[in-house]
Amino acid sequence: EAGVTQSPTHLIKTRGQQATLRCSPISGHTSVYWYQQALGLGLQFLLWYDEGEERNRGNFPPRFSGRQFPNYSSELNVNALELEDSALYLCASSQTSGGANTQYFGPGTRLTVL
Amino acid sequence: ILNVEQSPQSLHVQEGDSTNFTCSFPSSNFYALHWYRWETAKSPEALFVMTLNGDEKKKGRISATLNTKEGYSYLYIKGSQPEDSATYLCAFLSGYSTLTFGKGTMLLVSP
Repeated sequence: EAGVTQSPTHLIKTRGQQATLRCSPISGHTSVYWYQQALGLGLQFLLWYDEGEERNRGNFPPRFSGRQFPNYSSELNVNALELEDSALYLCASSQTSGGANTQYFGPGTRLTVL
Repeated sequence: ILNVEQSPQSLHVQEGDSTNFTCSFPSSNFYALHWYRWETAKSPEALFVMTLNGDEKKKGRISATLNTKEGYSYLYIKGSQPEDSATYLCAFLSGYSTLTFGKGTMLLVSP
């Protein structure tokens, strides 16, 4: 069974540009979560999608947005990039919504903003 | 803002040593506590999901306990091996349905 996949592995952008990160969940999983790990910080919750709907978002500005497609894959968009957006972005999926379900993580996208 | 604390921040042990880490979380509105192992250049790997006070889980040489009333969980590794070297993360779930992660405990096991 294929795990959670993310693309691209690395992404280099300049300030003010937009970045798009993609995630494909494990087959059969309907919930997708996005997390950011900036240097020196723990994993910070960004967004949660389930059945195509945004269920919750973390304490991030509106320029962080995303969506979930009918096949449950997801996209994270970061507009007007700032230097502090440089981080590892992890996607996770779970079989259903609800926090007692194990979240399975992808390998991440390393975003560098110059 | 929920606060999840892990200690120690890092730990260096010799092969064969047993070790344990602590995860502290709010004792109110508890729903679940997750443990993950994150090896360098790999994805975080789920170890345990614990939901009941007094819960004990075991996976090989790794085990975990949970005390929801006082807000802590312990992770134990018996007879550490170099392949156990990783960052161990705990994550707390309250009734708001999103995980709050601690910063992790970085374990290095020397042969």
